[in-house]
Amino acid sequence: GAVVSQHPSRVICKSGTSVKIECRSLDFQATTMFWYRQFPKQSLMLMATSNEGSKATYEQGVEKDKFLINHASLTLSTLTVTSAHPEDSSFYICSASSGGLAIQETQYFGPGTRLLVL
Amino acid sequence: GQNIDQPTEMTATEGAIVQINCTYQTSGFNGLFWYQQHAGEAPTFLSYNVLDGLEEKGRFSSFLSRSKGYSYLLLKELQMKDSASYLCAVRDHEAGSYQLTFGKGTKLSVIP
Repeated sequence: GAVVSQHPSRVICKSGTSVKIECRSLDFQATTMFWYRQFPKQSLMLMATSNEGSKATYEQGVEKDKFLINHASLTLSTLTVTSAHPEDSSFYICSASSGGLAIQETQYFGPGTRLLVL
Repeated sequence: GQNIDQPTEMTATEGAIVQINCTYQTSGFNGLFWYQQHAGEAPTFLSYNVLDGLEEKGRFSSFLSRSKGYSYLLLKELQMKDSASYLCAVRDHEAGSYQLTFGKGTKLSVIP
């Protein structure tokens, strides 16, 4: 299947700092990328959907000024957690889709980034 | 919106068969997916159903009944490495063509 990478895999930061997470599709062009957050023993919660070259669409309750998403190219999307606080500590996962017309189009997930804010 | 239900936990014996059920409610059904997620890792794609019936892929099979809003994932010849969470996810036209809504996952423990 398609390969999606995320960097860093794990990050620890101080409260108030900003953290950038990169998501790359390595062997296909991802017109659409999704950012999820998963708290322990919880399901994946969609945070936002980003399409290359346009503004991200945020889910209800997700602050767009706090979670900045940039999808500048067909292979790279970044999520920046600004002024991180301990409650932002979570497992952040991106997924990518080539956005084809095939109904069986699926999302391919990155390995996730574990963020711990002290 | 969507409402997706699946059991929280299940336990099964190595070598046995286990069926994980998923029920959903959605107004614009556009496919149901099953993902496997090991602890601390990202989900990996297992199967996709959009039409009624059974899709078989090796030891894993997935079934869908759209009229009943029901799916199950069947795992045969269970192995210890199958211990993981299994996520049912639904794609909905109204939520955007490629967005998925995930259930809370079923944690499967395979015991010797």
